[in-house]
Order: sequence, then structure tokens, then C-alpha cells
Amino acid sequence: DGGITQSPKYLFRKEGQNVTLSCEQNLNHDAMYWYRQDPGQGLRLIYYSQIVNDFQKGDIAEGYSVSREKKESFPLTVTSAQKNPTAFYLCASSEGFWLDRSGANVLTFGAGSRLTVL
Amino acid sequence: SQQGEEDPQALSIQEGENATMNCSYKTSINNLQWYRQNSGRGLVHLILIRSNEREKHSGRLRVTLDTSKKSSSLLITASRAADTASYFCATAANAGGTSYGKLTFGQGTILTVHP
Repeated sequence: DGGITQSPKYLFRKEGQNVTLSCEQNLNHDAMYWYRQDPGQGLRLIYYSQIVNDFQKGDIAEGYSVSREKKESFPLTVTSAQKNPTAFYLCASSEGFWLDRSGANVLTFGAGSRLTVL
Repeated sequence: SQQGEEDPQALSIQEGENATMNCSYKTSINNLQWYRQNSGRGLVHLILIRSNEREKHSGRLRVTLDTSKKSSSLLITASRAADTASYFCATAANAGGTSYGKLTFGQGTILTVHP
């Protein structure tokens, strides 16, 4: 079955540590995204990638880094510079980024990774 | 601030009743989408409505879009306990005549359907 796999599902981090969240998709989608969700809140965009070897900052990129070396993979690193990293992190993908056809930007989400800073 | 603002923040109904959630947005859009999120899980796409459409149906879902008021509503008819979830609207903005797919999500409506 095609989909997005995020790992780990739960992650605990000590202050000052960097952690990397994995996101893999087998949908052959060009675009991938990372969102952050805080309790009772909507989703805020951290980074997005329109195509392999390219990525752009979203609304809350400070303290995060990404790479897109392979089409199917878009890992997110939460660095020690992120002041309040405890949150639920969601990875998503879409067929395309530019709306050259209807529905190209419909997102498929992974199950999420919950990060807790101890 | 969030592009989409949803109302109400929480909705509690009995099975069999209809549930209506509203979404308002601020800028010109290419399309508006609704997603569902079960507790602690990822979001699932429900329905997309384009800016030149006024109403769309999918099973028990009915979505309307009023671009003059910059608002949308999601109606779930004959609700079931399994419909209990958070529902989010998301908008794809038009940017200077070129449309791109970056979505901006609202805060969501928590729907509870009691058996």
C-alpha cells in the first residue's frame, strides 16, 4: 500500500540534544512538507520541498533543518536552538506543488511523531 | 495569523443529528480543503472545493464555498459516533496570478458525536 511512514512514533529528548524525525513516502509525490501541531492548535508549516534537492522555509523554520536528497525521503532535524520543541510533528506529501491540475496539492499525511523534551 | 478560522471550536451532538462547521479565510484562494484528524493521528483528506465552485458533495459530506464572504461550511449529515474527530479547513492561496499548493490550516473544530 502506498503511503507515508514517520518514525519514531514517540521520541524523548533531553535539552540541548538534536533529534531527527524520519519521513518516507512511496507515493512518487514531488512535494513534501513538515507541520508542527501543538495541543488544541492547527497545523503550522515548518519546511516544505517542491522537488528533490530543493526546500524552503515555512512559517516557523527557526530551530529546524531538513534535507531532500531523495524523492521519497524528507527528514526533519529538531536542533537545540528550537526553544520549545515539545509537539506533534506531521509529515505530508502531495503530487505537486504548483496547481497546474486540480487536486495536485491534496496532502497525504503520515501518522505523526510526538516529541517530548525532558 | 492563520488563514483559516473555524467555528465553532467544539461541537457536541447526538448520533443521527447533522453537524455543521464553518471556516473563514482572509485572502484570495485557489481551492479550499477539509481534513479530518482522529485523536493522536495524522490528517485525512475529505473533500476539495475549487474557487469557482459553490457546493460539493461526497457521501454524507456537503461543502459550500462563498468567495464573496470568504467562508466555507462543512455539513456532515446523519452523524455517527465514528465521526468523532477534529476537522480542519485548509486553503491554497493565489499568489500574484500564480497558484501554488502550500496549504494554510485553520485551528480546527472538535466534533463529538454521542451514541
